[in-house]
Amino acid sequence: QSALTQPASVSGSPGQSITISCTGTSSDVGGYNYVSWYQHHPGKAPKLLIFDVSNRPSGVSNRFSVSKSGNTASLTISGLQAEDEADYYCFSYTVSSTYVFGSGTKVTVL
Amino acid sequence: EVQLVESGGGLVQPGGSLRLSCAASGFTFNNYWIHWVRQVPGKGLVWVSRVNTDESSTNYADSVKGRFTISRDNAKNTVYLQMNSLRAEDTAVYYCVRGALRAYYVDVWGKGTTVTVSS
Repeated sequence: QSALTQPASVSGSPGQSITISCTGTSSDVGGYNYVSWYQHHPGKAPKLLIFDVSNRPSGVSNRFSVSKSGNTASLTISGLQAEDEADYYCFSYTVSSTYVFGSGTKVTVL
Repeated sequence: EVQLVESGGGLVQPGGSLRLSCAASGFTFNNYWIHWVRQVPGKGLVWVSRVNTDESSTNYADSVKGRFTISRDNAKNTVYLQMNSLRAEDTAVYYCVRGALRAYYVDVWGKGTTVTVSS
């Protein structure tokens, strides 16, 4: 049950788009459409951004979008804003009926 | 207001035991799966365990299997995590997290309780 692989850090200027990848295996990311994404500002509860690969809960900005190809899911943040600076995690159901988080990506707005 | 409130954290010696509790309110507790997730300060989130609505199904991360037991009391709207044979690497903030209804993601988080395993 190794963590899904995410880049440790991604940065961008305000208004730019950035993409965070989440790579697993056919036993998790690639095997199910059950990948979700969370934004975590330290000291606060993580916030659900995307569920079931590409669905946004009400109230989440459409600047957040996801794609998936094979064993990799990717979160794109468009029109980067200062408030987007946070840690981001992917989360997947697995073939063992367990779950696994990504290693986490720190997003910095330059 | 939907709420999850963890308690029971503290300092324990290696090899010791601790039981965490998670009190739920503001929703129909017995309709939802509940997860435990932990985070070492400065590190990433790690999924620990999950219990289904009637405790007929439980799952664990390999790192805690055989040492941790998740359970729930639907009459008390409470989930427990019994942690035995604790190791230094179990030191973390433990979060109680609600599984979304009939889905494979989580949607409501508690504020967490800190467990420190040290002699």
